[in-house]
Amino acid sequence: DAGVIQSPRHEVTEMGQEVTLRCKPISGHNSLFWYRQTMMRGLELLIYFNNNVPIDDSGMPEDRFSAKMPNASFSTLKIQPSEPRDSAVYFCASSKVAARSTDTQYFGPGTRLTVL
Amino acid sequence: AQKITQTQPGMFVQEKEAVTLDCTYDTSDPSYGLFWYKQPSSGEMIFLIYQGSYDQQNATEGRYSLNFQKARKSANLVISASQLGDSAMYFCAMREYNQGGKLIFGQGTELSVKP
Repeated sequence: DAGVIQSPRHEVTEMGQEVTLRCKPISGHNSLFWYRQTMMRGLELLIYFNNNVPIDDSGMPEDRFSAKMPNASFSTLKIQPSEPRDSAVYFCASSKVAARSTDTQYFGPGTRLTVL
Repeated sequence: AQKITQTQPGMFVQEKEAVTLDCTYDTSDPSYGLFWYKQPSSGEMIFLIYQGSYDQQNATEGRYSLNFQKARKSANLVISASQLGDSAMYFCAMREYNQGGKLIFGQGTELSVKP
């Protein structure tokens, strides 16, 4: 079975540009998570969706970040405008159920974003 | 306050020996789950093992076992018979079920297996 798919795997852009990261969760999973990993802050949740509905976006750093999940098989994380401090690895993860469940979150390979 | 604490930034172990990676957690939620993930140098996050707060027995998955001491709030990962391929970063994470689905991660432990 295919795991979580993320694209692109690497993105290099210039400050001020719009960046869109994409994620396809595992088929049948109904929860999707976006995490960011940096040396300074480690792994932190940005936002998660349950049945395509955003549940907790308290980790989204600021208005420059937005995330959507138009259907059960696709999500995007957009940064506009991008800044050098956004450079990080962005992971998408999915699980079968979010609340009161032992279901494990399975991670995609990540997108390494570099903002020059 | 840190919710997940991994006090060992780096560890070395000889190939074929066992190693314990420490993890302590802090929560007032009676229902929670503890997870361990492996992150090799290639960068992906690989799920290893899960322990629920109500589980009576310690979880085991192949060479991985979780030493769960609820009263001490610790969930140490034990890797038996270390292999060179075990060299990686290891993250402990917690999910508090009354707080929704998010995982809270520790800072990680970098394990190096020596031949």
